[in-house]
Amino acid sequence: EDQVTQSPEALRLQEGESSSLNCSYTVSGLRGLFWYRQDPGKGPEFLFTLYSAGEEKEKERLKATLTKKESFLHITAPKPEDSATYLCAVGGRDDKIIFGKGTRLHILP
Amino acid sequence: DAGVIQSPRHEVTEMGQEVTLRCKPISGHDYLFWYRQTMMRGLELLIYFNNNVPIDDSGMPEDRFSAKMPNASFSTLKIQPSEPRDSAVYFCASSFGLGGRSPLHFGNGTRLTVT
Repeated sequence: EDQVTQSPEALRLQEGESSSLNCSYTVSGLRGLFWYRQDPGKGPEFLFTLYSAGEEKEKERLKATLTKKESFLHITAPKPEDSATYLCAVGGRDDKIIFGKGTRLHILP
Repeated sequence: DAGVIQSPRHEVTEMGQEVTLRCKPISGHDYLFWYRQTMMRGLELLIYFNNNVPIDDSGMPEDRFSAKMPNASFSTLKIQPSEPRDSAVYFCASSFGLGGRSPLHFGNGTRLTVT
């Protein structure tokens, strides 16, 4: 069965303090790995798609990387507005997209 | 495009009542997904459609839940009868292209409270 595990569950950082979020996955025939950002009271907002091991994508202070077993979301010099829940999801051969429980990130000014 | 539109945004109902949640996907998208989100279980996939046809409903908790997609621009998720444990935020999402490779676009959800 496809499974996504994210760690840590919650993370508090000082503004400017870089860190990484982890997403470990097992999936039958990975088609895509997705990162989303979710703000309170809103639906998840798409950030990145990664398709194969070794691929990297960047957007502002965020960089996502992928290996055969896990993905990392690196946050460089974060700002308070980066505070949100970050969700990882995988798409497999059966077209399903399965989500992890997310990492709640809080950036202190 | 207006994005995925869900209604209502909030629903409060009493146990035993019927609840209908509505979703309008992004025009041209051929996949539609229904998810439920709780603090304990995160985002759970309930059912998904491809070209208006239900493909996998194995995530639907029990027979009290049903979903339809009568056309490409409308879907409903119905709970009858509702129970307090159904309280959650229900999200609809749509995508275009090869399943599993295309990112989902989410609505802002319906927060359901069953008392």
